[in-house]
Amino acid sequence: EVQLLESGGGLVQPGGSLRLSCAASGLAFNTYAMSWVRQTPGKGLEWVSAISANGGGTYYADSVKGRFTISRDNSKNTLYLQMNNLRAEDTAVYCCAKDRHSGSWNKWFDPWGRGTLVTVSS
Amino acid sequence: DIQMTQSPSSVSASVGDRVTITCRASQDIGNYLAWYQQRPGKAPKLLIYAASSLQSGVPSRFSGSGSGTDFTLTINSLQPEDFATYFCQQANSFPLTFGPGTKVDIK
Repeated sequence: EVQLLESGGGLVQPGGSLRLSCAASGLAFNTYAMSWVRQTPGKGLEWVSAISANGGGTYYADSVKGRFTISRDNSKNTLYLQMNNLRAEDTAVYCCAKDRHSGSWNKWFDPWGRGTLVTVSS
Repeated sequence: DIQMTQSPSSVSASVGDRVTITCRASQDIGNYLAWYQQRPGKAPKLLIYAASSLQSGVPSRFSGSGSGTDFTLTINSLQPEDFATYFCQQANSFPLTFGPGTKVDIK
């Protein structure tokens, strides 16, 4: 069974930084593209960033471009999201999600992790 | 960016009812559409991908249709475990975008 477990969330002041991790198990991690998606009660689901299976391709939402960096360590089966210059509007539950199919991008997600809460507040 | 809308935003239904949810894209996305179910406190679960392909393990009472800009998720014979929120998502191009969700609750 594929499992995705996020960690690294917490309370941070505006302008601060956090690094989220997503530990994957039960899959050939290095064959799947991965994404981060965040969720808030007010804004619903918002895709944040994606990375190809080998890490060579990355994409970002305009709202986080230049502030967030997605990366992966395939030797550790782990996905990361480095978040810098955090803003109040970045407050959300951040979930990692695996592309359904291995190989090239398919951009629909199965499964998702349960998420880690990031709160940006002074 | 491709905008996704859903209707209705909520629907009240009874066990055994048929429920239809509509999703519309702001531009042609072919069949690059997915549907997810989210129960309270749980992660979203993939139901349908490529507009009409049923994800493995998902009951056959769920079906998807449509292409281009207009899509439909149908739940036949609603079951107690189906009361949840349903989201559509376009997978045609980055940035990926989701619909605002449709909450299916008990009448």
